[in-house]
Formats: sequence, C-alpha cells, structure tokens
Amino acid sequence: AQSVTQLGSHVSVSEGALVLLRCNYSSSVPPYLFWYVQYPNQGLQLLLKYTTGATLVKGINGFEAEFKKSETSFHLTKPSAHMSDAAEYFCAVSNNDMRFGAGTRLTVKP
Amino acid sequence: EAGVAQSPRYKIIEKRQSVAFWCNPISGHATLYWYQQILGQGPKLLIQFQNNGVVDDSQLPKDRFSAERLKGVDSTLKIQPAKLEDSAVYLCASSLGRGGDNNSPLHFGNGTRLTVT
Repeated sequence: AQSVTQLGSHVSVSEGALVLLRCNYSSSVPPYLFWYVQYPNQGLQLLLKYTTGATLVKGINGFEAEFKKSETSFHLTKPSAHMSDAAEYFCAVSNNDMRFGAGTRLTVKP
Repeated sequence: EAGVAQSPRYKIIEKRQSVAFWCNPISGHATLYWYQQILGQGPKLLIQFQNNGVVDDSQLPKDRFSAERLKGVDSTLKIQPAKLEDSAVYLCASSLGRGGDNNSPLHFGNGTRLTVT
C-alpha cells in the first residue's frame, strides 16, 4: 500500500522568499504523485502531477516539484513566495486510489 | 465544464441522528470518491466507486457509514447513527479514470462541513 509523509505541518516564509514544502512517499510500484492546494473555505485544487517522463514538473502559480526516486521524495518549491500563496498544501500518491498526506500550512509574512 | 457539486454545504446534527450527503460528479467521470477531512488532517479515503461498483471501501466504518452510486452517476453518503468524532468535512471527488491508471487527477467539490453535537 502506498503512503505519503509531509515533513512540517506549518511552514512560514517571508514574501519573496523561497518556498520549500517536503513530501516523501512509499509505494511498491512506480507512483503517480500529486500536489493539491486548499485555500480557506475552498475545495482542493490540483497544483501539479508527476506520472512518467521528466522528473521536474511545473504547475500553476509558479510552483514546481521534482521527483527523486532515489530519495522517494517529491518536494514542492516556488522561487518567490507571494501573499496569495498562503494555503494548505497536500501531497498525494496514487496507484488506483489516491492517498493524501496530512498537509502543510504555508504562511507568508509581508 | 461544471465542477463537482455537493450538498448540503453545512450540516449540524446531534449525536445518534442520521445524515446524508449528496454528490454529483463531473459529467463523464467514471470514478467517484468520498473523503473525510478532519480539522488539521489530510483527506482520508472512505470509499471509491468505479461507475456503480465499489473499488475500495477498506477505510469505511461500515457499522455506521454507507454509500451508494446506483446509476453510476450521483452518489450519496450516509451516517447512521452519527458520533461526535464524525465531525469533519466530507469531500466528494471525481476523475475520468481510476486514479493512477489513467493518470487522472481528482476534481474536488467544496465539501460538506458536518458538525455533530
């Protein structure tokens, strides 16, 4: 069975600083990996996904993530944080069903 | 395209009462999921349907939770009787294929926030 671990339930950065949200996965087969974002009082939205091919995946709003098989990681990054990036971020792994991590709340300070 | 529709948006009930949630997935999406999201936690898969058949219900508390998708489109999730620990947001999602098989991302509804008092 697959699972996901997100390191750090809360991350706080200053506006303009690098955003790094960590995700490690466990899967017995090559995984499909996703990042979702949840803004306050809204449903989850897909940020980006990795299926096959290029290991560096670009998503919406300037986010990207890199699949590293040797490290079983799929960390999410953004070079420069914006106030509007404040939200809850969920990493997910899929192999016929979708399993989510516990989430990381990102706070952006002015 | 229209998104995943869920109702009601909010529900407050007393413990031991019953409650039902409704979900209408995106047209043409074969797979439908119900997730439970407790405050401060990630979504937990309760049940997954492929058309009108159950693919995975291993985490569904079957003594009190039930779900159906009779015609392979809309779905209802029922809790009977409710407990205090059932307070959560219940999310419905749909995808074109099975998550992973066709690299199908999930499209989520806005959820139903249940409060059990």
